[in-house]
Amino acid sequence: NAGVTQTPKFQVLKTGQSMTLQCAQDMNHEYMSWYRQDPGMGLRLIHYSVGAGITDQGEVPNGYNVSRSTTEDFPLRLLSAAPSQTSVYFCASRPGGLQPQHFGDGTRLSIL
Amino acid sequence: ILNVEQSPQSLHVQEGDSTNFTCSFPSSNFYALHWYRWETAKSPEALFVMTLNGDEKKKGRISATLNTKEGYSYLYIKGSQPEDSATYLCAPYGGGSNYKLTFGKGTLLTVNP
Repeated sequence: NAGVTQTPKFQVLKTGQSMTLQCAQDMNHEYMSWYRQDPGMGLRLIHYSVGAGITDQGEVPNGYNVSRSTTEDFPLRLLSAAPSQTSVYFCASRPGGLQPQHFGDGTRLSIL
Repeated sequence: ILNVEQSPQSLHVQEGDSTNFTCSFPSSNFYALHWYRWETAKSPEALFVMTLNGDEKKKGRISATLNTKEGYSYLYIKGSQPEDSATYLCAPYGGGSNYKLTFGKGTLLTVNP
């Protein structure tokens, strides 16, 4: 099993550009989530999904879109990148509420 | 969203010291508590998932207790080693229709050799 795979690992964007951060898991987990890591803020939940076709907002959803067309994939889209979205992004998955979460290696995103 | 507070924010100990820190959460709508260990430049790794009041879990020198009635969990590290240096995160889980797993800001532990 590859676990949770995030691509790319690093990306630099200009303000206003759009991009999609990819996340895939091969563990058949129902729950998937996106977090961002900022200094002094810990991990903040952006969006999450409890199954294919079902998504919901987390703590900091503004500026991000997600979709879940398959169990395996949960892409995160930045429609118009802003410098405030410079962060490290983590994707995570878990089978259910009482099971631990598995994290990807993160995507470091810089927006100039 | 289940509000969660972790204290202290940071902690410096000497190698060999034992230490503990706290995760506080609302005691209502509680279903489970997750603990994670997060080393710098890596991704978080699960330590424990706890559900029952009075539960105690152990993994090597790390253990955790849970009090769901008063809404707190303690994480203990016995005989700290430099490799224990990391941020320790907790996340309460509300269950039911609340599927979110939201984290506290963590406790940053530094173990000096």
